[in-house]
Amino acid sequence: DAKTTQPNSMESNEEEPVHLPCNHSTISGTDYIHWYRQLPSQGPEYVIHGLTSNVNNRMASLAIAEDRKSSTLILHRATLRDAAVYYCILKTNAGKSTFGDGTTLTVKP
Amino acid sequence: EAGVAQSPRYKIIEKRQSVAFWCNPISGHATLYWYQQILGQGPKLLIQFQNNGVVDDSQLPKDRFSAERLKGVDSTLKIQPAKLEDSAVYLCASKRTRGGSGANVLTFGAGSRLTVL
Repeated sequence: DAKTTQPNSMESNEEEPVHLPCNHSTISGTDYIHWYRQLPSQGPEYVIHGLTSNVNNRMASLAIAEDRKSSTLILHRATLRDAAVYYCILKTNAGKSTFGDGTTLTVKP
Repeated sequence: EAGVAQSPRYKIIEKRQSVAFWCNPISGHATLYWYQQILGQGPKLLIQFQNNGVVDDSQLPKDRFSAERLKGVDSTLKIQPAKLEDSAVYLCASKRTRGGSGANVLTFGAGSRLTVL
């Protein structure tokens, strides 16, 4: 399975932008990059996904490197409710996706 | 639309006992997954169903774990007999299947937390 590498933890101040990096050097041409986040005592929830182009939605932006070997999830203004574990995963056309241990984001008031 | 429903939310059992978890996916979602999440780790896939057929169960400890998805809707995951290391949250997820697109999004339930004493 294609693997992703993320920092174990990151900190941010409230109302500041947060850039969460992810490396996926073994990505194949048809793998989609997905981001999920998991709030305490909840199941993971979808944040954003992309294939080649940068993507924006109401929750976040996804910046994908030109060679697709890395990507960055951008939260434009972090709030205390954004404190969670963020997972970057690759989804194959077979539907397979492997979660790593994610990045724990702490947001300081 | 209603989310993925799981029950029970919490279960405490002693080792060597059995336990079953139930999942009701989002209506119309053909693909269903069971994940095991040990405290401090990311979810680990146990089994993937497409309708009522198994697509991938390579990570399922088949000597003690079993899962079924009769009629391609609800699913149950059973552990018998349970071991201490089975203490974890068991997450169910589903997704609509549009061809083989990796773009399809997973929707997770809240999970069932198992404690084995």
